[in-house]
Amino acid sequence: ILNVEQSPQSLHVQEGDSTNFTCSFPSSNFYALHWYRWETAKSPEALFVMTLNGDEKKKGRISATLNTKEGYSYLYIKGSQPEDSATYLCAFKGGAGTASKLTFGTGTRLQVTL
Amino acid sequence: NAGVTQTPKFRILKIGQSMTLQCAQDMNHNYMYWYRQDPGMGLKLIYYSVGAGITDKGEVPNGYNVSRSTTEDFPLRLELAAPSQTSVYFCASSYSNGAGQGAGNTIYFGEGSWLTVV
Repeated sequence: ILNVEQSPQSLHVQEGDSTNFTCSFPSSNFYALHWYRWETAKSPEALFVMTLNGDEKKKGRISATLNTKEGYSYLYIKGSQPEDSATYLCAFKGGAGTASKLTFGTGTRLQVTL
Repeated sequence: NAGVTQTPKFRILKIGQSMTLQCAQDMNHNYMYWYRQDPGMGLKLIYYSVGAGITDKGEVPNGYNVSRSTTEDFPLRLELAAPSQTSVYFCASSYSNGAGQGAGNTIYFGEGSWLTVV
């Protein structure tokens, strides 16, 4: 059973604060690490798919880093806004023999208040 | 572009009833998936398909059946609904032009179906 853990479980910040979350995953047989943003009653929306150790991706105020050797990824949000309030999911994809299996973490629920 | 469309959005079922959750995608994706989301748990894979006519079990397939007669459609059938099947169900799709790595690419999700079994 693959273990994908996200921390913290929930986070409450004020508008303008910068914040970051962690996703931990197995450091062996790595293929890809996904980040999704999920607002309740909407579709989870892809943020990043990361495949290379040392990868750094950015989308507006949101960025992510990847360390496959030690098995973690960080998601950063700079200058949080109320519209950033959502659950952020990471998902690990292993290599050969796991063709269609993404293992999801339980998510970090972010609430941004004025 | 509609993306992934799933219906119904909300449904209440009685124990022992059956129903089908419909899913369609218009992106010509070869891979399609059904996940369920329970409180405090990550998304769990129920069934997936790598192309029309091909389906396979995920982590939690018991109590469900799927079919993939076309590239676009991937319905999920619940037979003899049980309270343990109360959950949020997500259909999703992705594309792969390589061998067996469809889930390494971006997955596109539907908006979810909230199912309660009473």
